[in-house]
Parts: sequence; structure tokens; C-alpha cells
Amino acid sequence: DVKVTQSSRYLVKRTGEKVFLECVQDMDHENMFWYRQDPGLGLRLIYFSYDVKMKEKGDIPEGYSVSREKKERFSLILESASTNQTSMYLCASSLGGQTNSPLHFGNGTRLTVT
Amino acid sequence: GENVEQHPSTLSVQEGDSAVIKCTYSDSASNYFPWYKQELGKRPQLIIDIRSNVGEKKDQRIAVTLNKTAKHFSLHITETQPEDSAVYFCAASSNYQLIWGAGTKLIIKP
Repeated sequence: DVKVTQSSRYLVKRTGEKVFLECVQDMDHENMFWYRQDPGLGLRLIYFSYDVKMKEKGDIPEGYSVSREKKERFSLILESASTNQTSMYLCASSLGGQTNSPLHFGNGTRLTVT
Repeated sequence: GENVEQHPSTLSVQEGDSAVIKCTYSDSASNYFPWYKQELGKRPQLIIDIRSNVGEKKDQRIAVTLNKTAKHFSLHITETQPEDSAVYFCAASSNYQLIWGAGTKLIIKP
């Protein structure tokens, strides 16, 4: 069974802090994604990556950056956290290539910025 | 770009009755339509998906139908049970990018 692990379940940070959210998958998946989930807005794609050291902007990349130095790890970085970045963050992975393969999600990190 | 609308936002049904959730999409090139279920406090998980060359797909009590002409697809759950209570998300894939609906909270009344 695919395991996608997010390093923190809950996180509280102050405005202006630099925040790192880590995600690791153990199934050798090529594709990795970062979403944020807010009530009534569904899942919104922040960034995604189809390969090591590769990244693409999603629908709402402003205020975020990512890093993929190793195939199994995809990090989301909030350069200077703001209160409007308080949200649930979900990492996901899927098989590689131009295919519509199922997404496997982590348990999420609920980030609160005060 | 693609836009996916999902209705209703909340659905309450009596245990044992059927539930139907509908989604419409805008991009006629979309060719893959998955449904994910997210139980309270848990991760979203794929429950069923359908590709554009198929009109209907069933898996036990759940089924998905696709109408390409009208650009809508629906999730059908029959004989609902308490464990069906969750938020359900539809999505449509255009150029291998998933666009998500806003979600439907399904409540099963005992």
C-alpha cells in the first residue's frame, strides 16, 4: 500500500516566519503535488512536480515555493507566513508519465498562522 | 481553462436510501473523471473513476455515469450506510491536470 507521510499533523507559526512542510512517499512515484484545502473551495493545487528538481506552478502558487531534491521527498515552503495561509495542506503522489493515475494523499498538515 | 461545479454542497439522506451527487465540467477535452471520498479527519481516497470512452461504471453500491454531450457526470450510492458519511469530491482531468469540485458533504440519517 502506498504511504505518503507528512511530517506534521498540526503546526502553529507566527506571521513572517519561514515555514517548511515536508512530504515523503515510499512507492517510487514520479509525480508529487501540494494542495491546500479550505471549506467550500475544494482542493486547490499549489505546486506539482513530475521529476526530481522539476517543479511547476499550480493554480495558487503565490507566497509558496517548493523543493524536490530527491524523488521521494517534496517540500512546500512558505517564505513569509501570513494569516491567509492558515489552511489544511495536503501532499499527494501518483505514478509518472502522462497518465491519469490515482492520487495517494498524505494525512494533511493543519497550519495555523497567528 | 477547466471549471468543475459540484452540487449539492450538502446532502442528507435516510439510511438505506440512495444518494446522487452531480458535477458539470466546462472543457470538452476532459477525459478522466475520478471521485474521492474524505471521511472526517482523514485523507481523500479514490473510490471510483471513469474515462471518457465509457458511459457508466459500477462497483458494488457505487456507480458513476458520464454524459459527454451535456458535460456532466454523477456519483450514485445505493443502500446508503452510516459509513458513507463523508465529503465527496469530483474532479475532471484535462491535459492530465485534475480540476476539483468544491465537495459535497453527505450525511446519512439513522
